[in-house]
Amino acid sequence: GDSVTQMEGPVTLSEEAFLTINCTYTATGYPSLFWYVQYPGEGLQLLLKATKADDKGSNKGFEATYRKETTSFHLEKGSVQVSDSAVYFCALSGGGGGSNYKLTFGKGTLLTVNP
Amino acid sequence: DTGVSQDPRHKITKRGQNVTFRCDPISEHNRLYWYRQTLGQGPEFLTYFQNEAQLEKSRLLSDRFSAERPKGSFSTLEIQRTEQGDSAMYLCASSLVWASGAEQFFGPGTRLTVL
Repeated sequence: GDSVTQMEGPVTLSEEAFLTINCTYTATGYPSLFWYVQYPGEGLQLLLKATKADDKGSNKGFEATYRKETTSFHLEKGSVQVSDSAVYFCALSGGGGGSNYKLTFGKGTLLTVNP
Repeated sequence: DTGVSQDPRHKITKRGQNVTFRCDPISEHNRLYWYRQTLGQGPEFLTYFQNEAQLEKSRLLSDRFSAERPKGSFSTLEIQRTEQGDSAMYLCASSLVWASGAEQFFGPGTRLTVL
């Protein structure tokens, strides 16, 4: 079945540091890929997505590129802020070719940014 | 704000009791999903509805679990004869369209603790 593996946390960075959170996936078809973020005390919200190979999703300074050849969707940000502290989840849907479009998530990576 | 809402936000119960959770999706969203999230893990798919029809149930959903979505609006998730292993965050999500890249909008979750 479909699966997502993402970098184990926690990750602790200083403000303005460069961020990379690795994500790789296994899927039988051609999935769409997502990064969701969960800020403290809040629900999951979509950060960015990419629906086909070589697409780049971007939002709030975060970027991720759908790499089919390496089955990866790594999250990057050039300069993190304290307000970026949250749990980040990599996810996919549509990998099995069915129509349920359920999301399959990685375990999440806790990011803490210190001033 | 007319996002996805869930009630209650927290539920503490004794083993063997029945509990019911409610999810109100964004109005006009046809798809409604239930996920379960345990500590340190990403959300796992439980079941989904398209309008009032329950179209798929995960193997995680034992016979003690039942979900409904009468009239295709709000949904309820009931757990009968709760066990300590049922302790988790139960998340509801809805989407307007069903496609591989469709965004799912998540509620804040119901945290269940079974004593």
